[in-house]
Amino acid sequence: GAVVSQHPSWVICKSGTSVKIECRSLDFQATTMFWYRQFPKQSLMLMATSNEGSKATYEQGVEKDKFLINHASLTLSTLTVTSAHPEDSSFYICSASRDRVNEQYFGPGTRLTVT
Amino acid sequence: DQQVKQNSPSLSVQEGRISILNCDYTNSMFDYFLWYKKYPAEGPTFLISISSIKDKNEDGRFTVFLNKSAKHLSLHIVPSQPGDSAVYFCAARGRGDSGGSNYKLTFGKGTLLTVNP
Repeated sequence: GAVVSQHPSWVICKSGTSVKIECRSLDFQATTMFWYRQFPKQSLMLMATSNEGSKATYEQGVEKDKFLINHASLTLSTLTVTSAHPEDSSFYICSASRDRVNEQYFGPGTRLTVT
Repeated sequence: DQQVKQNSPSLSVQEGRISILNCDYTNSMFDYFLWYKKYPAEGPTFLISISSIKDKNEDGRFTVFLNKSAKHLSLHIVPSQPGDSAVYFCAARGRGDSGGSNYKLTFGKGTLLTVNP
């Protein structure tokens, strides 16, 4: 159990367009979902924490208007990268938790390339 | 400012021997530490954890040691197996930037472990 999926697994988009990434908990209800970003050979950097039905909490330095997060149900959270630029190219990983932050189940990640 | 550091980007070990992965941290407010394992093109999977009030936790071939005074933890894998080859991330739990009741995990950069047959 505790499977988390992400869609798409990779996406290429043109600069200025918006991209939506979905994160789903397949066999459990996730009260909290987390969005991370990872640059090559770097650590996973937490971008934001979202609880179902409430606004996401963003980490310092993460633009709320650029990275829109919606956690509409207990099994789905979405990250929308608005007006994407080449510097937004990265590996985005979500994780889901039933209740405690230390029990996070990670998705396989989404590779975003902005041309 | 990197609060969780894994200073060895890679480690190569012979099958059957012990693998020791190290992690250092700077924030004394971290209260829980975790190790994750990651294969290419997959998300990290939880391996083992330890509370800051303990100094050792063992689960099968995996043991995590915590030295709070040195702000250092290590993961021991014995005996190492080729299937253990992966990137290992150390993570520490602390309060989120927004405070309140939100916790967050801070990750190190990872160590690539290669276990040779």
